[in-house]
Amino acid sequence: EAQVTQNPRYLITVTGKKLTVTCSQNMNHEYMSWYRQDPGLGLRQIYYSMNVEVTDKGDVPEGYKVSRKEKRNFPLILESPSPNQTSLYFCASNSGSLGEQYFGPGTRLTVT
Amino acid sequence: QKEVEQNSGPLSVPEGAIASLNCTYSDRGSQSFFWYRQYSGKSPELIMSIYSNGDKEDGRFTAQLNKASQYVSLLIRDSQPSDSATYLCAVRRDSSYKLIFGSGTRLLVRP
Repeated sequence: EAQVTQNPRYLITVTGKKLTVTCSQNMNHEYMSWYRQDPGLGLRQIYYSMNVEVTDKGDVPEGYKVSRKEKRNFPLILESPSPNQTSLYFCASNSGSLGEQYFGPGTRLTVT
Repeated sequence: QKEVEQNSGPLSVPEGAIASLNCTYSDRGSQSFFWYRQYSGKSPELIMSIYSNGDKEDGRFTAQLNKASQYVSLLIRDSQPSDSATYLCAVRRDSSYKLIFGSGTRLLVRP
């Protein structure tokens, strides 16, 4: 089954404790991205990757890092999480400039 | 001005009615247009994609695109309570992978 997976689905952590949210897709898509979704602000892109070893900032990259060592995986790293990073996070992938974008199930992160 | 604008709603319609959701975009270079449905706390689910002017129908859903007016809409016929969700309009610029999302319209279908 074609899908985007994320782990963990729920995470409660404390300020400053490094964490990684994993994302994997099995559709051989080149393009992957991370979004955060907050009430009233909609979906905002954090980082994206056009292909292996090619990543770039989206609209709200501060406080986040990503890597793309393999085509299928695109982890999101919070080196020192802060309470303002409490949000619902989605990973997504698509195959090309006309390709449809598919979302993972989401990760609800709470930073206390 | 936001790049993709939607009325936040809620849009309330009775069961069986036609729900009409609208979206405008600012970049004339936009080439691809998408409608996603999102239930509360869940991930966006792709419903329709449309790339050329006119109508595109898929079951109870019809997407309409008018590039001259920079306007895309989604019609849901025979609305069901299970259609109650937030509908996100997304636009992709020419030769870009990036999707620009509107903030969504919340639809309520009353039984």
